[in-house]
Amino acid sequence: DSGVTQTPKHLITATGQRVTLRCSPRSGDLSVYWYQQSLDQGLQFLIQYYNGEERAKGNILERFSAQQFPDLHSELNLSSLELGDSALYFCASSVGGTIQETQYFGPGTRLLVL
Amino acid sequence: DAKTTQPNSMESNEEEPVHLPCNHSTISGTDYIHWYRQLPSQGPEYVIHGLTSNVNNRMASLAIAEDRKSSTLILHRATLRDAAVYYCILITGGGADGLTFGKGTHLIIQP
Repeated sequence: DSGVTQTPKHLITATGQRVTLRCSPRSGDLSVYWYQQSLDQGLQFLIQYYNGEERAKGNILERFSAQQFPDLHSELNLSSLELGDSALYFCASSVGGTIQETQYFGPGTRLLVL
Repeated sequence: DAKTTQPNSMESNEEEPVHLPCNHSTISGTDYIHWYRQLPSQGPEYVIHGLTSNVNNRMASLAIAEDRKSSTLILHRATLRDAAVYYCILITGGGADGLTFGKGTHLIIQP
């Protein structure tokens, strides 16, 4: 158990819909990262937040957005969903915000868009 | 981040040592070598990292070539629980960014 929690574990929705994925980092960690894992693209970094502020951006689509709240939990919002958005979405956390630090990954949310 | 090359898959027997290679011929002097692994149906987990010297921890050992163009992750006594995809990642500097995962090596452990 990494100490990172993600909800929900599974999500099934339809194309065009909007969903919100939630992540709670390990106690004491200030940085949260979001990753997408699909069969064809592998694990891809989406976005990083540190203490409430956006810190780094990866391959995040414009239809996707994220935020980190004062209690440090984070939400990833996916809108206008397409079939290709079906994937595993992982959240990770680290103490500070630098890439050298160990990242602790949650169990993931499996999203299926029908 | 500099590119790494790993075999697609490897097979080993339970309770035997496993040597997972990683080539990184374009590594720069400030690149750290990190290893993560992903067990089936789980998120990735950190295994070990190093810069120049060999490193040991409770999970594994990391052997780094003298020219740093390659490294080897060593599992001293593989168990069925070590069956996973192992990722070798080069990380540069201390700035903010996410990890860049390649395809990794799928390690199969035979009982």
